[in-house]
Amino acid sequence: DIVLTQSPESLAVSLGERATINCKSSQSILYTSNNKNYLAWYQQKAGQPPKLLFSWASTRESGVPDRFNGSGSGTDFTLTISNLQAEDVAVYYCHQYYTGVITFGQGTRLEIK
Amino acid sequence: VQLVEYGGGLAQPGGSLKLSCVASGFTFRTYWMFWVRQAPGKGLEWVARIQGDGSNLNYADSVKGRFTISRDNAKNTLYLQMNSLRAEDTAVYFCVRSNYYFDYWGQGALVTVSS
Repeated sequence: DIVLTQSPESLAVSLGERATINCKSSQSILYTSNNKNYLAWYQQKAGQPPKLLFSWASTRESGVPDRFNGSGSGTDFTLTISNLQAEDVAVYYCHQYYTGVITFGQGTRLEIK
Repeated sequence: VQLVEYGGGLAQPGGSLKLSCVASGFTFRTYWMFWVRQAPGKGLEWVARIQGDGSNLNYADSVKGRFTISRDNAKNTLYLQMNSLRAEDTAVYFCVRSNYYFDYWGQGALVTVSS
């Protein structure tokens, strides 16, 4: 099974600053025939289901603020949140759908410093 | 798009429970559907999935042989029959629409396995 390792496990960032969350895959999740990375990012606020932020590593979902950015390819991916707002407090998960056995990262808890 | 789960609750170890998920706002029969669970304070774990026409089913190793996923496309409903429940099955179970990635999630149904 593909293992996704997120770092850090938690971080505290000041309002207005940038938060960076990494997701490293144990094998490439880039499908070369279509040049797509089979990775998604989700935001889960307390007591709510996860919400899709990005598919294909960098395709932002409708309604997601452009402060959020997804990047990376192959085995290394990054979720960046610029100009951090109070409503961004959440746990963030990456998810690979490259193989039949889908897996998630363990989550990164983002708090306000 | 709306996904609403029903059927959560308390079950004894070794017991059974059946979850339902009623879908609306999209052509249900054309989508793979998943059950994904989240133990209290823990991360996300996929449990089972089923193809749109019900022809392909897959399970996580942790539930294989104990859980059964099914669907009734005439009723726009997804099911998860859970047998031989264990304490470690305690979790919120989410019904999820798959478009490769998971684009819509239900609010979840809490299943507690305890004596």
